[in-house]
Amino acid sequence: GGIITQTPKFLIGQEGQKLTLKCQQNFNHDTMYWYRQDSGKGLRLIYYSITENDLQKGDLSEGYDASREKKSSFSLTVTSAQKNEMAVFLCASSIAKAGAETLYFGSGTRLTVL
Amino acid sequence: GDSVTQTEGQVALSEEDFLTIHCNYSASGYPTLFWYVQYPGEGPQLLFRASRDKEKGSSRGFEATYDKGTTSFHLRKASVQESDSAVYYCALSDASSFSKLVFGQGTSLSVVP
Repeated sequence: GGIITQTPKFLIGQEGQKLTLKCQQNFNHDTMYWYRQDSGKGLRLIYYSITENDLQKGDLSEGYDASREKKSSFSLTVTSAQKNEMAVFLCASSIAKAGAETLYFGSGTRLTVL
Repeated sequence: GDSVTQTEGQVALSEEDFLTIHCNYSASGYPTLFWYVQYPGEGPQLLFRASRDKEKGSSRGFEATYDKGTTSFHLRKASVQESDSAVYYCALSDASSFSKLVFGQGTSLSVVP
């Protein structure tokens, strides 16, 4: 088995601040994802990456940057934190580049912006 | 684009009650359908999936049947337990749009003894 590790677990930022969230996986999976979770809105895809150095925008990419410098890691940057923003950011990975494969999720980073 | 709709935002039941969470989808292709479960403090994990019309997925006493005619994949369990308290997400993946999962809004299930 494997594990996805997200750091930090809790992140508190100030309005306008640039904030970076990190994700590591040891499944040796090709594809990695960042989802945003808001109560009542489900999970919405921000960015995904099908291989090292690849980046693909999801439905919610505005206001975010991502980086996949290694197969095992995928980071997400909030470019300018919005006041009173609260959300959970979930990292996930899957084995394949295409097809309906199972996603494996980390336990999330909870963001609060003061 | 593709979408998933879960009718119930919150469900409160007593132990041994019957559970139904409704899931309807809209997709241009022939999607694979999933149910994910998220326990407090954890990320979502796959409960089960189904890829063909009339295919039944099941796990841990939960089940759902892929119904292409009604575009539905309703989650059912005959007798819930307190340990089933969690958030349940219905999702779809359309192979024509790579492997991106589209999730429903989630249903928070609370089961009291």
